[in-house]
Amino acid sequence: EVELVESGGGLVQPGGSLRLSCVGSGFTFRIYSMNWVRQAPGKGLEWISYISSSGDTIYYADSVRGRFTISRDNAKNSVYLQMNSLRAEDTALYFCVRERVPQSAWFDPWGQGILVTVSS
Amino acid sequence: QSVLTQPPSVSAAPGQKVTISCSGSSSNIGNNYLSWYLLLPGRAPKLLIYENNKRSSGVPDRFSASKSGTSATLAITGLQTGDEADYYCGTWDNSLRTVVFGGGTKLTVL
Repeated sequence: EVELVESGGGLVQPGGSLRLSCVGSGFTFRIYSMNWVRQAPGKGLEWISYISSSGDTIYYADSVRGRFTISRDNAKNSVYLQMNSLRAEDTALYFCVRERVPQSAWFDPWGQGILVTVSS
Repeated sequence: QSVLTQPPSVSAAPGQKVTISCSGSSSNIGNNYLSWYLLLPGRAPKLLIYENNKRSSGVPDRFSASKSGTSATLAITGLQTGDEADYYCGTWDNSLRTVVFGGGTKLTVL
């Protein structure tokens, strides 16, 4: 079964940092580009970041560029999201997603999501 | 303000048909494949449609989609109460170099 499992979320104060991890299983992780997508409470889907299969191409949404860093370790079937200088507006459910074709928004599957709460 | 435009809500009676529109531009929908997603509260989003009109595995043929120019449409026939959810369109934007989503459409089955 193809599966993505996120971890590392939680409550953090404004200005703090968190590192999200996502482990993939049931598929050849190293050949797929990966993305992070979030959904703030009561809001829609917001794409956050993209990393190519080899890790040599990376994109960010304007809302997180300069604060968040995406990376991957294909040996560990994992993708990461380092989140620094967190703000209240970063509070959201964060999803790790596999992209079937690079830069296509063809996302399948999605992880179950991990909650990040930024609050004092 | 989302790059892709969807109606905030649509509704129809059980058994009826409903359509959800998604409008964009030549930098996104006009030159890239589009996907559609279903979001149920407390659950991970689910891929319904990819490459404009192809149903994902396990998605019933009551769901169909099409694209023309810079707009796309998701159609759901034989509506069931279980179809009540939020629906999102998404694609790549060549100018922004980002994935863009619509604002989402809440489907109510009356």
